[in-house]
Amino acid sequence: EAGVTQFPSHSVIEKGQTVTLRCDPISGHDNLYWYRRVMGKEIKFLLHFVKESKQDESGMPNNRFLAERTGGTYSTLKVQPAELEDSGVYFCASSHPSGTGHYEQYFGPGTRLTVT
Amino acid sequence: ELKVEQNPLFLSMQEGKNYTIYCNYSTTSDRLYWYRQDPGKSLESLFVLLSNGAVKQEGRLMASLDTKARLSTLHITAAVHDLSATYFCAVDMEYGNKLVFGAGTILRVKS
Repeated sequence: EAGVTQFPSHSVIEKGQTVTLRCDPISGHDNLYWYRRVMGKEIKFLLHFVKESKQDESGMPNNRFLAERTGGTYSTLKVQPAELEDSGVYFCASSHPSGTGHYEQYFGPGTRLTVT
Repeated sequence: ELKVEQNPLFLSMQEGKNYTIYCNYSTTSDRLYWYRQDPGKSLESLFVLLSNGAVKQEGRLMASLDTKARLSTLHITAAVHDLSATYFCAVDMEYGNKLVFGAGTILRVKS
């Protein structure tokens, strides 16, 4: 079974440019999450999709960030325009209820975004 | 707001030694996860602890959960170099919802 994949693995852009990150969850996982780790700090939640619907977007830092999950499969996270403080590693995770009812999240390798 | 604190944040150990990483959280939850991350890799799930008193062991690692104390521990026995990685604990309050992570513990095992 393929794991969660993310593209690109690394992106370097200039301040003011636009970047789009992509996440492909594990097949059949309805739940998809985005997290971010800024250098040296905690991994922080950004948002949660259930299929194509945004269940919780309380962690989105501002309106420069736009996440979509058209058709309930892969998701994109667009940052426009990028600022220096957006640099960090963006993780995607997916989950599906287990036999015991809990939702173990499986993480992708992350996209390292550097804004210069 | 749920807060999760890990300590220590950095741990340098000699091979063969034992040590414990602590994870405290601020509000009631009975679901706690431990992840391992190697540089440039995904977060790999190590343990899922779903009830008070849960204890799980895998090789040289053992994790436990005390929901009354809001504390989980990750105990390392007779460390080996291959255990060098960053370890995160994470807590969620509602099924299927966001995880709140600790800051991570960077573990370096020296031979």
